[in-house]
Amino acid sequence: NAGVTQTPKFRVLKTGQSMTLLCAQDMNHEYMYWYRQDPGMGLRLIHYSVGEGTTAKGEVPDGYNVSRLKKQNFLLGLESAAPSQTSVYFCASSGGTRPSYNEQFFGPGTRLTVL
Amino acid sequence: AQSVTQPDIHITVSEGASLELRCNYSYGATPYLFWYVQSPGQGLQLLLKYFSGDTLVQGIKGFEAEFKRSQSSFNLRKPSVHWSDAAEYFCAVGPYNTDKLIFGTGTRLQVFP
Repeated sequence: NAGVTQTPKFRVLKTGQSMTLLCAQDMNHEYMYWYRQDPGMGLRLIHYSVGEGTTAKGEVPDGYNVSRLKKQNFLLGLESAAPSQTSVYFCASSGGTRPSYNEQFFGPGTRLTVL
Repeated sequence: AQSVTQPDIHITVSEGASLELRCNYSYGATPYLFWYVQSPGQGLQLLLKYFSGDTLVQGIKGFEAEFKRSQSSFNLRKPSVHWSDAAEYFCAVGPYNTDKLIFGTGTRLQVFP
């Protein structure tokens, strides 16, 4: 039981390049989330999904796209990376029927640097 | 709008000393409340949560938190800190019937031997 895994762990991009971050969970959770963590700003929600085939915008969605084609996977895409997207990205998942009180399980993070 | 405030950015304590990390929230009703811990280079792990009932909740690793409705606070405490408690601590609120959590900006705890 691996929990939540993220690929890759580290990545360096040049401005304008694109990439996809992969999140996978093996807990059969309905809800999945992508956050970014920046110094002094805590975790900010980028996009989230309440089930397979659904996505919704969070607090800071601009410049990112997501897809949830399979229940266990949640992909975060950067179409044209910018230096402002340099951050640590965390994926999380939660189960149950009321996500606001269920524990979120976090992946180990992806450290992304955009030059 | 709902919000979470952690007024202390960085706290330093000596090993064996007591600890209190502050958290205040802004919400029209009592939300669900959480404390998460992030060890260096890792993801977040749930320490404890409060939904209703007893206002003093116990969590893992010897932590506890007290919900005070009158002060809109949910402070985290530990009677005796260990060096392994050095980490960043996040308070979060889950407004009722929403799909997401709102996190505070975090408090970094440093422990001196």
